[in-house]
Amino acid sequence: RKEVEQDPGPFNVPEGATVAFNCTYSNSASQSFFWYRQDCRKEPKLLMSVYSSGNEDGRFTAQLNRASQYISLLIRDSKLSDSATYLCVVNGWLSVGSQGNLIFGKGTKLSVKP
Amino acid sequence: EAGVTQSPTHLIKTRGQQVTLRCSPISGHTSVYWYQQALGLGLQFLLWYDEGEERNRGNFPPRFSGRQFPNYSSELNVNALELEDSALYLCASSFDRGGTQYFGPGTRLLVL
Repeated sequence: RKEVEQDPGPFNVPEGATVAFNCTYSNSASQSFFWYRQDCRKEPKLLMSVYSSGNEDGRFTAQLNRASQYISLLIRDSKLSDSATYLCVVNGWLSVGSQGNLIFGKGTKLSVKP
Repeated sequence: EAGVTQSPTHLIKTRGQQVTLRCSPISGHTSVYWYQQALGLGLQFLLWYDEGEERNRGNFPPRFSGRQFPNYSSELNVNALELEDSALYLCASSFDRGGTQYFGPGTRLLVL
């Protein structure tokens, strides 16, 4: 089983749509969770951290379910500028053999069309 | 505040050569991480340096090495380049161990 698995995508949605990304992780000892966004041929940029209580930042809502080892990202009222690859990321900080490094899913590509 | 910087931005080498990539972390950050993103693949962890020491390395051969300097900047060295080393090499830094990581723009390496 891969350490971090995401929806394969790509997702093609019209402007204004609501889109949901899902992610599962294999190591129950993982402590920190993030969504990064990566534009074509650019570096990943932190979109938001994900907390157990769930957190929201404008149109973006992230949820974490530790029992199911499941992370989600919801984008409401999608904009053309949301087009990018969304990376589900887990920090293996307390996992033996993966201290300090981030473990990335392969990403889900989102295209928002006019 | 300046972000993570990397140099060079692009590099072309031939098989068997050696390359050195450089990274300067965000001011005040002590941890530096290196990742490889090969075409069509996800980001793979290479190395982590903190306070001048190598703290962890990913599943890469020993020809991938690096170091961190007293000013917390870092170098990644790759010896005996192979075609499959062609990739985007990303450096990230964090304020402390396990902290949120911020990425530089990367160095795009092409091995011919």
